[in-house]
Amino acid sequence: EAGVAQSPRYKIIEKRQSVAFWCNPISGHATLYWYQQILGQGPKLLIQFQNNGVVDDSQLPKDRFSAERLKGVDSTLKIQPAKLEDSAVYLCASSATGNSNQPQHFGDGTRLSIL
Amino acid sequence: AQSVTQPDIHITVSEGASLELRCNYSYGATPYLFWYVQSPGQGLQLLLKYFSGDTLVQGIKGFEAEFKRSQSSFNLRKPSVHWSDAAEYFCAVGAGLSGGYNKLIFGAGTRLAVHP
Repeated sequence: EAGVAQSPRYKIIEKRQSVAFWCNPISGHATLYWYQQILGQGPKLLIQFQNNGVVDDSQLPKDRFSAERLKGVDSTLKIQPAKLEDSAVYLCASSATGNSNQPQHFGDGTRLSIL
Repeated sequence: AQSVTQPDIHITVSEGASLELRCNYSYGATPYLFWYVQSPGQGLQLLLKYFSGDTLVQGIKGFEAEFKRSQSSFNLRKPSVHWSDAAEYFCAVGAGLSGGYNKLIFGAGTRLAVHP
């Protein structure tokens, strides 16, 4: 089966600019996750979708970050305006359900650099 | 609050030597525990998971982990390391959300280097 697809792989922008990332999960997976992985740290969950509804976005900086999964399939994560501390790898993952007995499958991530 | 601690930031072993990566967690209930591996420029791959039952769990690539409730630990082991095992390893705990869903809380990771 095809894995989780993310694009772009790399993005370089200046602070205060906007940027968007795209994720296409494994076909049929109901749950989609966006993680932020800062260099030297483990991934931190930003937002979790169940189909097109949000299950958890408690760690999403909502003043600048937004995410949507309108049709319950692919998803976009946007940052506007970007700050220097947003430099990180943004990982998308999906699972068949939102239960822990279903493994999360990760994409290769988008590496964002803010100048 | 739930948390995961991986005390070793960087470990170096010789090829063929045994390996143990440490993981300690903080969680009020019976935890769901995971180990993931991340190669450079790639996403995370699940090595193994513990939900309940036998405290010694087997995973892919010859890895195993042992859950010790009394020590709040879930250490990852491999009897003989291969050069291809060089990567970053993350321990994670599954924390409950409303509606029966769970989210993963990751440790900061341990970077493994393997000498030939």
